[in-house]
Amino acid sequence: TQLLEQSPQFLSIQEGENLTVYCNSSSVFSSLQWYRQEPGEGPVLLVTVVTGGEVKKLKRLTFQFGDARKDSSLHITAAQPGDTGLYLCAGDTGNQFYFGTGTSLTVIP
Amino acid sequence: DAGVIQSPRHEVTEMGQEVTLRCKPISGHDYLFWYRQTMMRGLELLIYFNNNVPIDDSGMPEDRFSAKMPNASFSTLKIQPSEPRDSAVYFCASRSDGYEQYFGPGTRLTVT
Repeated sequence: TQLLEQSPQFLSIQEGENLTVYCNSSSVFSSLQWYRQEPGEGPVLLVTVVTGGEVKKLKRLTFQFGDARKDSSLHITAAQPGDTGLYLCAGDTGNQFYFGTGTSLTVIP
Repeated sequence: DAGVIQSPRHEVTEMGQEVTLRCKPISGHDYLFWYRQTMMRGLELLIYFNNNVPIDDSGMPEDRFSAKMPNASFSTLKIQPSEPRDSAVYFCASRSDGYEQYFGPGTRLTVT
């Protein structure tokens, strides 16, 4: 059983389209992070959110932490081929650190 | 800064053999994490250290796995004896007091 479920698991879209990735749990997290991983490399941190309801923007990426700090979403506007990769959410309960199941995104030129 | 360094990058071994994976964290980072990534189970935390002391090893699959951190600049993850189901990419990550973990490039282990 995974503590953090991501959806969708796989996503293939055309360049220019928008998309949203979800990260859900029944547990409360003190902080939640989003990472992107490219083939043959380790995950790289994109953002950390710590406050319920918090919204952070990173260029075309918008991250939101749920009010109850149990879920999060990542929205990408006008996706580009360079956005292709595995997106992972990760939550810190204070005692443990868990990674989500991952969303594999492919942006087709 | 060279980042987190892992060796070897690839390891192919036969079932029953001992495997040792190595990690050099970023200088000054107090936390070191070992993860395993597979298609089926995703990224799993195996163990983490704080100031060279193992804090939580509840993710270590079984007694065949062991990890050490003899000093602040070196850690090992050992599998003895290895089994085909241990095949995975093993990542080491380090962190200071902040939230961000910096991952190494990983070691791809294949046990035949």
